[in-house]
Amino acid sequence: DGGITQSPKYLFRKEGQNVTLSCEQNLNHDAMYWYRQDPGQGLRLIYYSQIVNDFQKGDIAEGYSVSREKKESFPLTVTSAQKNPTAFYLCASSWGAGQPQHFGDGTRLSIL
Amino acid sequence: ELKVEQNPLFLSMQEGKNYTIYCNYSTTSDRLYWYRQDPGKSLESLFVLLSNGAVKQEGRLMASLDTKARLSTLHITAAVHDLSATYFCAVDIEVDGLTFGKGTHLIIQP
Repeated sequence: DGGITQSPKYLFRKEGQNVTLSCEQNLNHDAMYWYRQDPGQGLRLIYYSQIVNDFQKGDIAEGYSVSREKKESFPLTVTSAQKNPTAFYLCASSWGAGQPQHFGDGTRLSIL
Repeated sequence: ELKVEQNPLFLSMQEGKNYTIYCNYSTTSDRLYWYRQDPGKSLESLFVLLSNGAVKQEGRLMASLDTKARLSTLHITAAVHDLSATYFCAVDIEVDGLTFGKGTHLIIQP
């Protein structure tokens, strides 16, 4: 079955530590996205990529970094510069602008 | 900056009743999406509305889009408990990602 796989499901970060969240899709989608969801809130865009080796900042990119070396993979690194990283992180993919986005099951990140 | 506002943010209703959730947005767009989220889960796509006047229905849910008014509605007919969830509308412009509303937390009581 085609879909989007996020791992791990739960992740804990220590102070000063960088952590990387994985997102893999086998839908052959060109575009991939990372969103952050805080409790009781909607999703906010962190980064997005329309093609391999290219990506753009979203609304809240500070403290995060991404790479897009392969079409099927779009990992997100939460750096130590992100002072409030506790949230639910959702990865999505689509054929491109104007096409519905399909979401992974999410990674819940907490601070130790 | 695109802003998306949903109302109400919280709705408690009885089974069998009808209700409408509203989604207003601030910038011209003809692409609007509705998603459902169950507690602790990811988002499930409900409707994709891609033109003015678009109307889509699935079971007890019906969504519509008025791009001139920058308004979309999600209408619930004869609500049942299984529809309890948080519903999000989202808008996209050009090639950017989606801008989401804050969500409507819907509780349907017997």
